[in-house]
Amino acid sequence: NAGVMQNPRHLVRRRGQEARLRCSPMKGHSHVYWYRQLPEEGLKFMVYLQKENIIDESGMPKERFSAEFPKEGPSILRIQQVVRGDSAAYFCASSREGVGTEAFFGQGTRLTVV
Amino acid sequence: QQQVKQSPQSLIVQKGGISIINCAYENTAFDYFPWYQQFPGKGPALLIAIRPDVSEKKEGRFTISFNKSAKQFSLHIMDSQPGDSATYFCAASRSGGGADGLTFGKGTHLIIQP
Repeated sequence: NAGVMQNPRHLVRRRGQEARLRCSPMKGHSHVYWYRQLPEEGLKFMVYLQKENIIDESGMPKERFSAEFPKEGPSILRIQQVVRGDSAAYFCASSREGVGTEAFFGQGTRLTVV
Repeated sequence: QQQVKQSPQSLIVQKGGISIINCAYENTAFDYFPWYQQFPGKGPALLIAIRPDVSEKKEGRFTISFNKSAKQFSLHIMDSQPGDSATYFCAASRSGGGADGLTFGKGTHLIIQP
């Protein structure tokens, strides 16, 4: 009964490259959430997805960031043309349903932009 | 604008003592208040959560006290143990649960001295 799986755990990208972060939710979970954590800061909500649908993207930067959760396969957070300020830990959480159900976080992907 | 303010930033407690972490919020639409525990290199794990229709919730050594009129809530860890040493985050949302749109505090680094 694996938990939320994120990969890679660590990712180094040069400025201007693309970063792809993957999140496989827990078995039976169809809701995925992405959060970003800067050093010494709390987590900041980015986006909430169900299979093939974006439910809430109020925390997503308007440019360069996109997320998807296809019918098959993991959820992907994509950052195009990365900049130094994108360096952070990105956490994914999943839940069985949305409102009122416990969400479980993965171990995160630590993105470093050099 | 920081919607959830957490204090203290760091806390040292002797083994067996009571650890107390406080949070204050501004948005009266918040209806779900969880606490998360995070160990280095790991994702946050839900510890305990409360909704505004109750003033206190206890689970084992962990208790949330909630003051709706003051817009404050706190985490009490009784009989604190070295294994409790971690970073604790309070959070709030208006989604009734899950992980949609959680607003996190900046965290409290708790150290329990043996």
